Amino acid sequence: GDSVTQMEGPVTLSEEAFLTINCTYTATGYPSLFWYVQYPGEGLQLLLKATKADDKGSNKGFEATYRKETTSFHLEKGSVQVSDSAVYFCALSDLSSNTGKLIFGQGTTLQVKP
Amino acid sequence: DTEVTQTPKHLVMGMTNKKSLKCEQHMGHRAMYWYKQKAKKPPELMFVYSYEKLSINESVPSRFSPECPNSSLLNLHLHALQPEDSALYLCASSHALAGDSETQYFGPGTRLLVL
Repeated sequence: GDSVTQMEGPVTLSEEAFLTINCTYTATGYPSLFWYVQYPGEGLQLLLKATKADDKGSNKGFEATYRKETTSFHLEKGSVQVSDSAVYFCALSDLSSNTGKLIFGQGTTLQVKP
Repeated sequence: DTEVTQTPKHLVMGMTNKKSLKCEQHMGHRAMYWYKQKAKKPPELMFVYSYEKLSINESVPSRFSPECPNSSLLNLHLHALQPEDSALYLCASSHALAGDSETQYFGPGTRLLVL
C-alpha cells in the first residue's frame, strides 16, 4: 500500500540555519502531497501542498517540490527561527481509494536554538 | 476562513463516564473526520463522514460513537473508555473526500485523559 517515510528526528539547528527535512513516498497513482506542522499543544496546520509533479508548494518561507522521478517532497527553509520549533508531518492523499484518507509519515521534530 | 473549532479543549473522565466531543466548521465543507493522536505519533484516522453519512469506520471500538447532526457539526460520544484511550482527538474537514485532492483542515484538538 501507499506509504510515507520521513527522516528521523529530532533535528536541532541554530537560528538562521538552513533546514531540510526529507520525505519520500510510495504510491500507486499520483497523489497530492502535503506538509503539516504541529506546534506544541496544538492541532495540525497545513503548511503547504502540491497536487502534481514539479509543482512547488510554498508558505511562510518554507518550500517543497513534488519530484515524481525521485518520489520525494523534501521540505526546505533558508533561515529558520526559534518559532519554527515544532513537529512536521509529510502526508499524501490516497487518491486511489477516494476515501479521504491521508497517509502520514512518522513526523520530524525540529528544535531551533537561539 | 479555514477554522475548525473543537470543544472542550481538555477533558478528564472516569472509565464509567459518558462524555461528548464537539467539532464545528462553517466553511461549507461536506467531509468531516475524527482522528486520534498519541504522543509523538502521527494522527490515526477513526471515522469519515461524507454528506453527513458515515463513510469510513476504521475498526474503532464501539465505546466511540460518532454522530453528524448536520453539515457543520460532528460529535464523538464516549462511553466506558479505557486509560489507553487517553490521547489528543482531532477533528478535520474538507470540501469533499480527499480523493479530489481536497485539503483537510484540522481543529486544535481535545486532549482527553481517562482515569
